[in-house]
Amino acid sequence: GAGVSQSPSNKVTEKGKDVELRCDPISGHTALYWYRQRLGQGLEFLIYFQGNSAPDKSGLPSDRFSAERTGESVSTLTIQRTQQEDSAVYLCASSQGLGHYEQYFGPGTRLTVT
Amino acid sequence: AQSVTQLGSHVSVSEGALVLLRCNYSSSVPPYLFWYVQYPNQGLQLLLKYTTGATLVKGINGFEAEFKKSETSFHLTKPSAHMSDAAEYFCAVSVAAGNKLTFGGGTRVLVKP
Repeated sequence: GAGVSQSPSNKVTEKGKDVELRCDPISGHTALYWYRQRLGQGLEFLIYFQGNSAPDKSGLPSDRFSAERTGESVSTLTIQRTQQEDSAVYLCASSQGLGHYEQYFGPGTRLTVT
Repeated sequence: AQSVTQLGSHVSVSEGALVLLRCNYSSSVPPYLFWYVQYPNQGLQLLLKYTTGATLVKGINGFEAEFKKSETSFHLTKPSAHMSDAAEYFCAVSVAAGNKLTFGGGTRVLVKP
């Protein structure tokens, strides 16, 4: 079946602009995660959604970052007033639920803020 | 809070030689441990995971890892490197609530012919 998809694959934006990144999880996966991978660094957890529970936003680096999820479907990560330090690859993952199910990762969106 | 340390950001091995990637973790509760591989311009793929039970776990592509609680380690090995193993490898830990992963900094593997 289809894996996790993300769009766009690449995004170049000017400093100060807002951007929206999209993630389509695997159908039936109730949990959805966003991570950030900055150049030469490991992945940082940003936020996760599980069913109808309140999302865990503990990894969001500032209030310029927000995310939404429609039911158990698409999620969008929004970055307002982008800064150069926001340049990174943003990865989305989904899993069947909590309890250490495998997380399946999408190919990522490479964001470049100029 | 948990953390993961991967020793060596870059490792170079000869084709056919042993691959050994080191991972140490810190966790206040029993950890669940993972190794992911990332090929160029691709997402992460799970190589193997330890949750409970047997401490030696086997994964895809001939990789295996051993959970050693006393050493807080989860090193990844492969007896004989192949050119296709050239990639970046990430060790990760999660705990009970949320399943969010905490990743190490990654180790990039170069395989020499």
